[in-house]
Amino acid sequence: NAGVTQTPKFQVLKTGQSMTLQCAQDMNHNSMYWYRQDPGMGLRLIYYSASEGTTDKGEVPNGYNVSRLNKREFSLRLESAAPSQTSVYFCASSEFSRGDGNTIYFGEGSWLTVV
Amino acid sequence: AQSVSQHNHHVILSEAASLELGCNYSYGGTVNLFWYVQYPGQHLQLLLKYFSGDPLVKGIKGFEAEFIKSKFSFNLRKPSVQWSDTAEYFCAVKKGGGNKLTFGTGTQLKVEL
Repeated sequence: NAGVTQTPKFQVLKTGQSMTLQCAQDMNHNSMYWYRQDPGMGLRLIYYSASEGTTDKGEVPNGYNVSRLNKREFSLRLESAAPSQTSVYFCASSEFSRGDGNTIYFGEGSWLTVV
Repeated sequence: AQSVSQHNHHVILSEAASLELGCNYSYGGTVNLFWYVQYPGQHLQLLLKYFSGDPLVKGIKGFEAEFIKSKFSFNLRKPSVQWSDTAEYFCAVKKGGGNKLTFGTGTQLKVEL
């Protein structure tokens, strides 16, 4: 079972460079999410997509853009990377964003370093 | 907005010791509550969740958690930990019917042989 797959796993960027993190899920889920994980801060929601064709800001959207390409894929783009964006990024999905009991499933993470 | 507090940031236990990790949330309405575990170098996996019914929830690997509404708490317990339980544990809360999952800052558990 692939579940949630994200690429790349590791990336080093120079300040000002751009890059896109790719995410795909094979569970036919409607909702997808991008989180970042930083030491001592837990996971913080960057953007989410409740369903195909919609995207919404989370807690920390500044410096990021997203695209819900189709039901399976949800990409995260850093237009001009900054050292403050050094983090571990997790893509996730769930059947629905609203409603009770929906479990969010996570990908394996993408380690991004901006120098 | 809801918030989640995990008061124990680092916990060190010996094998076979009992575990209780605290989790408190701030939202007063209906909530869905989750515990996730992240083993070293791996992604988050669901341990257990509560959204209605019996407030004592049993999860995988012998973990359980009790929802105490009056205390806004959802503490995680395990009677006897193993070395393989070494991981980071995250509590998370979602408003009932809501669409955003809010995580606590995590508790790093180290189990020594």
